Amino acid sequence: EDKVVQSPLSLVVHEGDTVTLNCSYEVTNFRSLLWYKQEKKAPTFLFMLTSSGIEKKSGRLSSILDKKELFSILNITATQTGDSAVYLCAVVDSNYQLIWGAGTKLIIKP
Amino acid sequence: GAGVSQSPSNKVTEKGKDVELRCDPISGHTALYWYRQSLGQGLEFLIYFQGNSAPDKSGLPSDRFSAERTGGSVSTLTIQRTQQEDSAVYLCASSSEGLAGDTQYFGPGTRLTVL
Repeated sequence: EDKVVQSPLSLVVHEGDTVTLNCSYEVTNFRSLLWYKQEKKAPTFLFMLTSSGIEKKSGRLSSILDKKELFSILNITATQTGDSAVYLCAVVDSNYQLIWGAGTKLIIKP
Repeated sequence: GAGVSQSPSNKVTEKGKDVELRCDPISGHTALYWYRQSLGQGLEFLIYFQGNSAPDKSGLPSDRFSAERTGGSVSTLTIQRTQQEDSAVYLCASSSEGLAGDTQYFGPGTRLTVL
């Protein structure tokens, strides 16, 4: 059975710290991996990763995919209280079905 | 399993036809959301149900789109007179209370292709 596992489930750090969120997967027919930030009603799209080893970067956020070891990481540097959210990882399979991780709840303390 | 389920997983239809997409949320979750996602794009919010309150339909792109949630559980998203631009993956999510910050649990999606 296809699955996506995120770790840690929750994380509390102080403003200014750097955090690394993990997403590992076992999906038979991998197409792409998606990262979202969920804080209010609709999750905000962060990254789509399809190729191994190519880092995607947006401001203080970056992500990379390792298709050999079947995982992705999301890095946030110089964290701010506004980064507090649940970060969701999902893998898209060849049929465009999404397999979701349970999310990592990130809390940034001032 | 006990997660959110959606059916069908794939739907191919002809332009002009009506389609119905179904979502079974996690039992006991009072909030239910519909989104759609085009390839490589972010999630587009469509509609939100919370308990017995009137649904938030602010994201529906046109009056061809409607959704119902019967008995506070199963929801159906209906698209009338489908157009090619309706082709997308339609995602359903549920959360326990629908509060900001509540984790939403997503279903696998229904891939809609309008020919």
